[in-house]
Amino acid sequence: QSVLVQPPSASGTPGQSVSISCSGSRSNIGGNTVNWYQQFPGTAPKLLIFNNNQRPSGVPDRVSGSKSGSSASLAISGLQSEDEAEYYCAAWDDSLRGPVFGGGTKVTVL
Amino acid sequence: QVLMQESGPGLVKPSETLSLTCSFSGDSVGAYAWSWIRQPQGKGPEWIAFIFSSGTVSSNPSLKSRATLSLDTSTRQLSLRLRSVTAADTAMYFCARSEMARIGVFDVWGQGAMVTVSP
Repeated sequence: QSVLVQPPSASGTPGQSVSISCSGSRSNIGGNTVNWYQQFPGTAPKLLIFNNNQRPSGVPDRVSGSKSGSSASLAISGLQSEDEAEYYCAAWDDSLRGPVFGGGTKVTVL
Repeated sequence: QVLMQESGPGLVKPSETLSLTCSFSGDSVGAYAWSWIRQPQGKGPEWIAFIFSSGTVSSNPSLKSRATLSLDTSTRQLSLRLRSVTAADTAMYFCARSEMARIGVFDVWGQGAMVTVSP
């Protein structure tokens, strides 16, 4: 059972927007910044968002992140077939003294 | 471009020790925290431990001190030893790095090494 809670799936048609939620607690999301990773089958996770809403170089601006209290969200607008992947949220946990991850959300482009 | 690559046996017997090595490129080893992360099939990643160039290690308490990390800055190799393994340790194991200013934010990952614990 993952510390951070995500819905198992989300979907949208090309061009639509999709949003993924991530719920935590005061010891992780509530007191620290949130990061998001994208993972394709058989590959390593790739950093998509850090510090709640910062994009590494190369990540398109149609990908955005936000945080409120002990929850966070990842939004992808203008959905494309290449966005079909698993998405994981993560945050530092003060009790663990290390990062914790969500269980992942599979995004399907219909 | 920084590269990281894991290597090691893909099959380990229960109660034995899992050993993996991660070779990485790039300069400024001391500017990063070096980590092991694992991911069971169909589940989210789980952080195992960090090691810094000073040799300081911070581990996930859930592993009950079974993990040992080492870092050779001259050969640019990171190692993981996980003792007394069980089937629950079967997973894809990744090495990854974090900038010291953003520990826990993994910006470079290895491709992963699948380890199965089975008799």
